[in-house]
Amino acid sequence: EAQVTQNPRYLITVTGKKLTVTCSQNMNHEYMSWYRQDPGLGLRQIYYSMNVEVTDKGDVPEGYKVSRKEKRNFPLILESPSPNQTSLYFCASGRSAGGWTEAFFGQGTRLTVV
Amino acid sequence: TQLLEQSPQFLSIQEGENLTVYCNSSSVFSSLQWYRQEPGEGPVLLVTVVTGGEVKKLKRLTFQFGDARKDSSLHITAAQPGDTGLYLCAGHRGSNYKLTFGKGTLLTVNP
Repeated sequence: EAQVTQNPRYLITVTGKKLTVTCSQNMNHEYMSWYRQDPGLGLRQIYYSMNVEVTDKGDVPEGYKVSRKEKRNFPLILESPSPNQTSLYFCASGRSAGGWTEAFFGQGTRLTVV
Repeated sequence: TQLLEQSPQFLSIQEGENLTVYCNSSSVFSSLQWYRQEPGEGPVLLVTVVTGGEVKKLKRLTFQFGDARKDSSLHITAAQPGDTGLYLCAGHRGSNYKLTFGKGTLLTVNP
């Protein structure tokens, strides 16, 4: 089954404790991206990647890191989480075509930083 | 400033009614997409429109891209409770692969 898999689905952590949210896709997509979704603010792009070893900042990259060492994986790293990073996070992948990408989303990771 | 403005923010209607939701911008987009998101799930792509004036139909859903490629609309005919969800528009500008989302329209269809 074609899918984007995020882990964990739920995470509660403490301020300053490094964490990684994993994302894996089995559709051989070049494009992968991370978003956060907050009430009243909608979906905002954190980072995206057009291919292996190619990453770029989205709208809200501060406090996050990503890496794209393999085509299928795109982990999101929070080196020193803070309470304002409490949010619902989505990973997405897609195949690029003529200047646009149709995104397929994972089921989300609800992160709480206390 | 929100690049893509969606209206209305909330919409509650009865089963069988028709509705239209809007996605507007002052910027030109090379493509616009509509997604639907249900509680606890990730957004699911419904359609991509790329040509100014383009109209696409998906069963009871009709999507239109404005002639100037700055706006889009989603019309649902004879809404059903299964249409309930958050409808999001998203767009690309130029050759940039960065995808920008609107805040969404939360639709509730009551039986």
